Amino acid sequence: GQSLEQPSEVTAVEGAIVQINCTYQTSGFYGLSWYQQHDGGAPTFLSYNGLDGLEETGRFSSFLSRSDSYGYLLLQELQMKDSASYFCAVRVSNYGQNFVFGPGTRLSVLP
Amino acid sequence: NAGVTQTPKFQVLKTGQSMTLQCAQDMNHEYMSWYRQDPGMGLRLIHYSVGAGITDQGEVPNGYNVSRSTTEDFPLRLLSAAPSQTSVYFCASSYAGNRNTEAFFGQGTRLTVV
Repeated sequence: GQSLEQPSEVTAVEGAIVQINCTYQTSGFYGLSWYQQHDGGAPTFLSYNGLDGLEETGRFSSFLSRSDSYGYLLLQELQMKDSASYFCAVRVSNYGQNFVFGPGTRLSVLP
Repeated sequence: NAGVTQTPKFQVLKTGQSMTLQCAQDMNHEYMSWYRQDPGMGLRLIHYSVGAGITDQGEVPNGYNVSRSTTEDFPLRLLSAAPSQTSVYFCASSYAGNRNTEAFFGQGTRLTVV
């Protein structure tokens, strides 16, 4: 089978740093993506790791270790607007964005 | 910029009824897909298409049909609605291959089957 694991909830205060981990077990692997989803909204793309290492995009960074089947999303300088659900997703096809999604991590940012 | 447009936004069906969820994109993306999202389970792939005239099944295809007659449109048909199909449905589109790694999602259709 195919499975991804993430913590169900994370809470942090404004200005803090939070790390959301993701471990995966899939039949194919063509990269790990992260998506943000606010309540009632659509998932929106945050980052993608196709190779091992760290990718940085503004306040967000994402890391991948393919040998450990592990990745994480790092959010720095947390803001109230970062309160949302965060999903890791493994791309399992080399043609198109065919994903297996994790169950999501709900991040609550407190003042 | 329209992006990915889904209609309707909300729908209530009776068990056994059929309906079509519409999805259209204006980005000339080859790849389109349908996901359903249930509480605590993330998104699960229903069907996908790598281009006009080509469709394939995802993880949870039973009870759903799709077709892709144009690049822009990818409708999802529920053949005979069941309460287990109560969910939020998202359509997504992207470029195929490795040209781009970002998928764009529509705003979702919230479906309740009673």
